[in-house]
Amino acid sequence: LAKTTQPISMDSYEGQEVNITCSHNNIATNDYITWYQQFPSQGPRFIIQGYKTKVTNEVASLFIPADRKSSTLSLPRVSLSDTAVYYCLVVDPGANNLFFGTGTRLTVIP
Amino acid sequence: GAGVSQSPSNKVTEKGKDVELRCDPISGHTALYWYRQSLGQGLEFLIYFQGNSAPDKSGLPSDRFSAERTGGSVSTLTIQRTQQEDSAVYLCASSWEGPSYGYTFGSGTRLTVV
Repeated sequence: LAKTTQPISMDSYEGQEVNITCSHNNIATNDYITWYQQFPSQGPRFIIQGYKTKVTNEVASLFIPADRKSSTLSLPRVSLSDTAVYYCLVVDPGANNLFFGTGTRLTVIP
Repeated sequence: GAGVSQSPSNKVTEKGKDVELRCDPISGHTALYWYRQSLGQGLEFLIYFQGNSAPDKSGLPSDRFSAERTGGSVSTLTIQRTQQEDSAVYLCASSWEGPSYGYTFGSGTRLTVV
């Protein structure tokens, strides 16, 4: 499984755009990138997934450069309810499980 | 059901006792996973069930841990002779076929061994 590296924590004020960058230098050709969000006392929740370039949904955008050695999760205009831990994962389609690191703890400040 | 259901939500047990944790996956999901999460830590993979295939037990930390999945649906994780280091949140997830389809997690069972 390709290892990922992301910041341990980030703080942001309400209304700002937040970008969380994840590095995955050893990503394989067939791997893709997935992000999960975890609120306290809940299991992680899938938020976005991509292989290359840009993916956008109602929650976030995911930017993946051509070399795919990193990815950036972008949360537009965060609110207090976006305070959570965000996990960056590299998914091997042939693997039996997903590897979750310790994630990035995002704290949104009023 | 609409989501993954786990029970109990909280369990306090005495050291040395056995515990059973239950997971009801989303109907139709063939893949089921158990993870555990210690306080402030990431998720640790325990076991993976896929359809009728033999489960991947590579993440089970010791032979005190076992799991079964009956009828391709409900799963039970059993911890025998619990130890204090077993205290954690045990999370169950299910997906359509495998991890590439995205997981849906339950809210977990918080196990405290005293």
